[in-house]
Amino acid sequence: NAGVTQTPKFRVLKTGQSMTLLCAQDMNHEYMYWYRQDPGMGLRLIHYSVGEGTTAKGEVPDGYNVSRLKKQNFLLGLESAAPSQTSVYFCASTRAGGHNSYNEQFFGPGTRLTVL
Amino acid sequence: TQLLEQSPQFLSIQEGENLTVYCNSSSVFSSLQWYRQEPGEGPVLLVTVVTGGEVKKLKRLTFQFGDARKDSSLHITAAQPGDTGLYLCAGRYNTDKLIFGTGTRLQVFP
Repeated sequence: NAGVTQTPKFRVLKTGQSMTLLCAQDMNHEYMYWYRQDPGMGLRLIHYSVGEGTTAKGEVPDGYNVSRLKKQNFLLGLESAAPSQTSVYFCASTRAGGHNSYNEQFFGPGTRLTVL
Repeated sequence: TQLLEQSPQFLSIQEGENLTVYCNSSSVFSSLQWYRQEPGEGPVLLVTVVTGGEVKKLKRLTFQFGDARKDSSLHITAAQPGDTGLYLCAGRYNTDKLIFGTGTRLQVFP
């Protein structure tokens, strides 16, 4: 099993450009998450999904959109990139029963995005 | 916005030393997890604690959940260079989301 994979691994954008980050998991997990990681701020939740066709806002959703058309994929879109979106983006997944205290989130390797 | 503060933010020690990392919040958690993240990789789960006062040991790592379930600590005995990484606590507030702490970056020198 590949676990959680993310593409691309690195990307440089100019302000105003758009792009889509792809997350794929092969563990048949129901729940998927997008986080951004900035120095000294840990991981902050952008959007998440509790199942195919459903999405919800997290802590810092502005400037991002997501889609979960297939259970195994979760896409994060930036419609008009801004320098404040320079960050490392992580995708994670976990099995159903998200209220289960012992559920482990499995993370991808991250995408490093720079917006000039 | 719920906050999880970790201290210290940075820790640089020699091999063989002991250390403790703290995770604090003003809110009560239903459970708390500790993750470790190495450069260029995503976080990986170390442990989950659920009961107030609970103590779990993972080889040289000891995790404790506060009695009131608002705080947690991670103690490493005789640190080794392989312990180097970013340590993140993450609290669950009876939802399908985790709130991650601010992180503690540990560097252990040989």
